[in-house]
Amino acid sequence: KQEVTQIPAALSVPEGENLVLNCSFTDSAIYNLQWFRQDPGKGLTSLLLIQSSQREQTSGRLNASLDKSSGRSTLYIAASQPGDSATYLCAVSSGNTGKLIFGQGTTLQVKP
Amino acid sequence: DTGVSQDPRHKITKRGQNVTFRCDPISEHNRLYWYRQTLGQGPEFLTYFQNEAQLEKSRLLSDRFSAERPKGSFSTLEIQRTEQGDSAMYLCASSLDVDYGYTFGSGTRLTVV
Repeated sequence: KQEVTQIPAALSVPEGENLVLNCSFTDSAIYNLQWFRQDPGKGLTSLLLIQSSQREQTSGRLNASLDKSSGRSTLYIAASQPGDSATYLCAVSSGNTGKLIFGQGTTLQVKP
Repeated sequence: DTGVSQDPRHKITKRGQNVTFRCDPISEHNRLYWYRQTLGQGPEFLTYFQNEAQLEKSRLLSDRFSAERPKGSFSTLEIQRTEQGDSAMYLCASSLDVDYGYTFGSGTRLTVV
């Protein structure tokens, strides 16, 4: 059974810092991995999608890497801003249904 | 297209009542998913439609839950005889294909009192 773990559960940093969020999964037979952002009481916004054959994806100040063999992904946020404060969720897809298995998320607070 | 729409945004109901939620996916997306999220947790898969066919259901989806997607367009999720444990955010998402990312709706927040 696929399990996804995110560490740390919460993180508080001063504005301008570079930071790394971690995601690990137990079954390396994944189809793809996605990172999402969720603001309080809101739905999920897709940030980056990494196919199983890819090693990383970049969008603006965000960079996500994938090491399928070790069951790990990282989300790197450069030059953090208060507007980056949110919960970041990692999810893996393991089958052709596209069903996602989520981690519990990392809640990030960026202080001005 | 404005994305995935969910209605209502919030629903407060008394225990034992039936509730129905609606999801309108992105029009060209043939895949539609329902997830449930409780406070402090990641979303949990409930069910998956490809066009009008319901192809997978989670064990979380008890007999009190039913979902439909008539004609492969919008979808409804009904909960009968609601219980306090049903209180959660119900999220709908759609996708064009497994190689593509998801688009989530804003969710329906259900509170059972």
